[in-house]
Amino acid sequence: SQQGEEDPQALSIQEGENATMNCSYKTSINNLQWYRQNSGRGLVHLILIRSNEREKHSGRLRVTLDTSKKSSSLLITASRAADTASYFCATDRNDYKLSFGAGTTVTVRA
Amino acid sequence: EAGVAQSPRYKIIEKRQSVAFWCNPISGHATLYWYQQILGQGPKLLIQFQNNGVVDDSQLPKDRFSAERLKGVDSTLKIQPAKLEDSAVYLCASSPGTGVPYEQYFGPGTRLTVT
Repeated sequence: SQQGEEDPQALSIQEGENATMNCSYKTSINNLQWYRQNSGRGLVHLILIRSNEREKHSGRLRVTLDTSKKSSSLLITASRAADTASYFCATDRNDYKLSFGAGTTVTVRA
Repeated sequence: EAGVAQSPRYKIIEKRQSVAFWCNPISGHATLYWYQQILGQGPKLLIQFQNNGVVDDSQLPKDRFSAERLKGVDSTLKIQPAKLEDSAVYLCASSPGTGVPYEQYFGPGTRLTVT
């Protein structure tokens, strides 16, 4: 069963704007990961945040984790057309298996 | 470093036929995963191998799906007989192994259409 749920399901923004998407999950986790999937391609790992971390940055990406609320957010700053993709959160409950949400589809308009 | 290789990229079959997918993980990666991704959904884990042993196949429909990873390197996933609801993208992923949280590296996937 899929543990994570992303919100919103879809997001359309102008190039240069920021994009924020959220992920909620049900049970305690060891770490949470975000992946990107371009149309017709495999998934690419973006960032991993451990359960004892609250915030992590990687380039234009910022991820937060609130274990008390069982939620995470992914912020993409200064979006580009190449950021058009589906974004998935995946939770690891310390069994090295990932449970993916249904994803947020982001469209960046030129 | 070469990525995860999968073949074929696309396959169209009729229901009740059989089909096989092949995956070659990144060299040295001990853990291999097969996922099913139905359109509009996230990937769902079908089976996880650690070297050539099965770690988890709880979500694999064993009446029609089978998978093997001989010699702990490449792997095949088979469906026999296929049903309409098996239409999906089948993704293979690998990671270095257990012990620490690792990202997973995904192949491009095989898009299966069952008619």
